[in-house]
Amino acid sequence: DQQVKQNSPSLSVQEGRISILNCDYTNSMFDYFLWYKKYPAEGPTFLISISSIKDKNEDGRFTVFLNKSAKHLSLHIVPSQPGDSAVYFCAASNTGNQFYFGTGTSLTVIP
Amino acid sequence: SQTIHQWPATLVQPVGSPLSLECTVEGTSNPNLYWYRQAAGRGLQLLFYSVGIGQISSEVPQNLSASRPQDRQFILSSKKLLLSDSGFYLCAWRGLAGQRGEQFFGPGTRLTVL
Repeated sequence: DQQVKQNSPSLSVQEGRISILNCDYTNSMFDYFLWYKKYPAEGPTFLISISSIKDKNEDGRFTVFLNKSAKHLSLHIVPSQPGDSAVYFCAASNTGNQFYFGTGTSLTVIP
Repeated sequence: SQTIHQWPATLVQPVGSPLSLECTVEGTSNPNLYWYRQAAGRGLQLLFYSVGIGQISSEVPQNLSASRPQDRQFILSSKKLLLSDSGFYLCAWRGLAGQRGEQFFGPGTRLTVL
């Protein structure tokens, strides 16, 4: 059973515009959420995280929003750059030991 | 600084053969260690995690096993590989107190079972 879902397998955005990647989860006990970026044949790298006590966290061009009532989080990238083209995974944790990942969204930023 | 190593980078094995993938972490003590698999077109599936030497938690019952013989060493094994074991295997570590909670991933091992 997939507890973390990314329903959009791919997304294309023009350079300079906003990229919005979405993630839904089913387990209300999740209290920590993360976004990772992954290039082909490499391990994912951490981008940004948010605790369930917050609804927004910002780090440069990346902002994560959390809507606990909807069990939904999103990653905003503004402005999008060609180097942002990669697969983005969201992940959630409830114990700090186990992390559950979504299936990923492949972002293409068009120059 | 901390680094994580995985080897081999790629592996082609026949069905029914054994498997041993190794992961080591440098620059940290008592990390949480993880094995994930990314199958073609799929997300990251947590296979095993370990909070200490000899402590292994399995998330998905299958023909794979994991061991942690040393604090910073995590091994993924199989006695007999199946075709469905093909995928991209990732090892990750996570620090404990004082850390933000994110995991750090190794470069991965591409396993093809023929």
